[in-house]
Amino acid sequence: DVKVTQSSRYLVKRTGEKVFLECVQDMDHENMFWYRQDPGLGLRLIYFSYDVKMKEKGDIPEGYSVSREKKERFSLILESASTNQTSMYLCASSFPEQAQYFGPGTRLLVL
Amino acid sequence: GENVEQHPSTLSVQEGDSAVIKCTYSDSASNYFPWYKQELGKRPQLIIDIRSNVGEKKDQRIAVTLNKTAKHFSLHITETQPEDSAVYFCAPQTGGYQKVTFGTGTKLQVIP
Repeated sequence: DVKVTQSSRYLVKRTGEKVFLECVQDMDHENMFWYRQDPGLGLRLIYFSYDVKMKEKGDIPEGYSVSREKKERFSLILESASTNQTSMYLCASSFPEQAQYFGPGTRLLVL
Repeated sequence: GENVEQHPSTLSVQEGDSAVIKCTYSDSASNYFPWYKQELGKRPQLIIDIRSNVGEKKDQRIAVTLNKTAKHFSLHITETQPEDSAVYFCAPQTGGYQKVTFGTGTKLQVIP
């Protein structure tokens, strides 16, 4: 059974703080993704990675960076959190051209 | 990048009726066509998928049909039940190493 875990379910941060969100998968998937989900906007891709140390920008990369030092781990970094980054963040992983498996999500509130 | 549109954005049906959600995409090279279901407060999960060499696929009460010429694929749910109430997303893919664009979702409400 595929398991994708995220480091926190809920997070409250202050404007300007550096925020780390971590995602771990146990299925040896090559591809990993970070999305944010906001009401009425669906799932928007922030960054994705198809191999260790590889990263590609998604549709809304501004204000975010990522790190993939190990195959099973994909981190999302908010260098200086802002209130417009308050959102639900979802991580996913997959084999190429196959279904994505999602983590439970992290609800981030930036005050 | 890929333009993905889903219609309708909301859909209400009586229990037992059928529901159809359509996903239109722009990249003619797309070759993998999944549908995800997201129940309230939960993560999206795959419910059915189809590849470009197949026109239709069924799994009990759900089916997906693909029209590559017109660049759209549809989710069909028959004999709807209250537990089908959720948001449904399409996410057509091109190759294995390209970004994935999700549709904006269809909120399905099944009225008992």
